[in-house]
Amino acid sequence: NAGVTQTPKFQVLKTGQSMTLQCAQDMNHNSMYWYRQDPGMGLRLIYYSASEGTTDKGEVPNGYNVSRLNKREFSLRLESAAPSQTSVYFCASSGGLGTYEQYFGPGTRLTVT
Amino acid sequence: AQSVAQPEDQVNVAEGNPLTVKCTYSVSGNPYLFWYVQYPNRGLQFLLKYITGDNLVKGSYGFEAEFNKSQTSFHLKKPSALVSDSALYFCAVRDLTSGTYKYIFGTGTRLKVLA
Repeated sequence: NAGVTQTPKFQVLKTGQSMTLQCAQDMNHNSMYWYRQDPGMGLRLIYYSASEGTTDKGEVPNGYNVSRLNKREFSLRLESAAPSQTSVYFCASSGGLGTYEQYFGPGTRLTVT
Repeated sequence: AQSVAQPEDQVNVAEGNPLTVKCTYSVSGNPYLFWYVQYPNRGLQFLLKYITGDNLVKGSYGFEAEFNKSQTSFHLKKPSALVSDSALYFCAVRDLTSGTYKYIFGTGTRLKVLA
């Protein structure tokens, strides 16, 4: 039982390049989330998927797109990276029976130069 | 709008002393409240939650939190701090008004336990 996994762990991009961050969970959770963490700002929600087949914008969606590929997988795409997207990205899932807490992946540290 | 505040950026405490990390919230209706811990270069780990019931909630690693409805607070506590408790702590509330499944996080409090 791996929980929530994310790939890659680290990535360096040049401005304008694109990339996809991958996330998978094996806990049969319905809801999945993408956050970014910046110093002094806590976690900010980028996009979330309440259930398979649905996605919604969070607090800071500009410059990102997501795909809920199936119940297990939720990817985050940066179409044209900008230095302002330098951050640590976390995927999370929730929605186990009778529970409400979130489970987080180990994060992806992204640097855009 | 629902919100969570962690008024202290950093809390320093001596090993063996009791610790408190503060959290206040603003929500409509009954809150679902959570505490998470983040160790360096790691993802957040769930510590404990308040959904309903007893105002004193016990969680992992000897932590507990007290839900106080009149003060709209959910402070994290531990009777005797360990150096290994040094980490970043986040308070969060589930956003119930939107009809979705979003969570709102505080900005985090860095706990430093001094040997």
